[in-house]
Amino acid sequence: NAGVTQTPKFRILKIGQSMTLQCTQDMNHNYMYWYRQDPGMGLKLIYYSVGAGITDKGEVPNGYNVSRSTTEDFPLRLELAAPSQTSVYFCASSSKEGSYEQYFGPGTRLTVT
Amino acid sequence: GQNIDQPTEMTATEGAIVQINCTYQTSGFNGLFWYQQHAGEAPTFLSYNVLDGLEEKGRFSSFLSRSKGYSYLLLKELQMKDSASYLCARVDSNYQLIWGAGTKLIIKP
Repeated sequence: NAGVTQTPKFRILKIGQSMTLQCTQDMNHNYMYWYRQDPGMGLKLIYYSVGAGITDKGEVPNGYNVSRSTTEDFPLRLELAAPSQTSVYFCASSSKEGSYEQYFGPGTRLTVT
Repeated sequence: GQNIDQPTEMTATEGAIVQINCTYQTSGFNGLFWYQQHAGEAPTFLSYNVLDGLEEKGRFSSFLSRSKGYSYLLLKELQMKDSASYLCARVDSNYQLIWGAGTKLIIKP
C-alpha cells in the first residue's frame, strides 16, 4: 500500500493564481482531512470529509474548496492565492473519526509571492 | 495551538530520559494523541490515551490525567533519531483534533 500520496511536493504561486493540491489514499478510509501547518503553530484543519460526496468546513476554510467524488481522492482547491496561504499542506485519512489514528501524506510546501 | 500548551523546545542527552508535557482544555475532551514529526516530514502516530493512566509502548510511554487536563510523553534510552518535534493533539467534542504547536526535541551526544 502506498498509503496517502500528495502532489505536488513543492509549488510557487503568484498572488491571484489558482491551483489544486491532489491527495489520494489506498486504504479505503472514509475519513479524509486537509491541514495546514505554519511555523510555530499547530496543524489547522481546513476541510474534512466523512465519505464520498460529503465534505465539511474545518477551522480555517476561507480561500479553499474541496470535493470528494470518490473514496480515494480528496483534492484541495486554492482560488486567488494570497501570501497568507504560504504554508505546508498535509492531507490525512483515517478509518473512523476521533480516536482513530490519522495517516498523513508527505505534504505540499506552497509559497505564494 | 488552540487550548493546547506544550513547551516549544527541549534538549536532552543521548541515552537519557525526557518527559514532554502537554496541558489542554478539559471541556469536550474525547481523547489525546501524541505524534512524532521529523523535520520536513509528515506527522506519524505514537500513542492515544482516553483513560487515566500510563500507556507503555517500548521506549515511549504516554500518561493522561483527565481531571487535570494534563498529559506527558516519556521517552527512554534516547537515541539521536529521536530528534524531532512531538505534537500533542486532543480530540474535541466534534471528534476533530485540536493540535498543539509541538515541542522540538534536540538530542545531544
